[in-house]
Amino acid sequence: AQSVTQPDIHITVSEGASLELRCNYSYGATPYLFWYVQSPGQGLQLLLKYFSGDTLVQGIKGFEAEFKRSQSSFNLRKPSVHWSDAAEYFCAVGNNNAGNMLTFGGGTRLMVKP
Amino acid sequence: DSGVTQTPKHLITATGQRVTLRCSPRSGDLSVYWYQQSLDQGLQFLIHYYNGEERAKGNILERFSAQQFPDLHSELNLSSLELGDSALYFCASSPWEETQYFGPGTRLLVL
Repeated sequence: AQSVTQPDIHITVSEGASLELRCNYSYGATPYLFWYVQSPGQGLQLLLKYFSGDTLVQGIKGFEAEFKRSQSSFNLRKPSVHWSDAAEYFCAVGNNNAGNMLTFGGGTRLMVKP
Repeated sequence: DSGVTQTPKHLITATGQRVTLRCSPRSGDLSVYWYQQSLDQGLQFLIHYYNGEERAKGNILERFSAQQFPDLHSELNLSSLELGDSALYFCASSPWEETQYFGPGTRLLVL
């Protein structure tokens, strides 16, 4: 069965600092991978996705993620964090043999210090 | 705004009751997915419909059911509600089995 692990439950960074959120997945074939962001009281907004091809994918709001098959990882990065990036971030893997149902990690809550 | 709408935004009800959550997908999207987000279980897939037909089921309780109508909107029915059913219920839509776009969710509180 597929699974996603986000090892960091909480992360605090200073505004302007770089950010890396970790995501490890378990899936038998080439995965579909996603990062979503959820602001308090809001729905899930898609940041970026990986289906195939270039392993470094660019997303919205200056985020990028790198797919590393050898490490079963899909870490999210941003070179300079803004206060508005404070939110909860979810990594997900899609099961493309079952209608692409998504399995989510437990989420990482990002706090940004001024 | 993802283009996916969900009603109602909030719902407060009592144990044993039945509620219906509604979802309208993005224009042109044929797939609708339902997810539950709770503090203890996190985000969990419930069920997927494509063009009116059930495609996949996840950890959906027997007390819960869903359907997708000819106009492609979907309803999630929750019955014999228990305290533990309190959660945020999300609907997502996609053109086929691709990127899913999420609605704002319905927050259900069972008292």
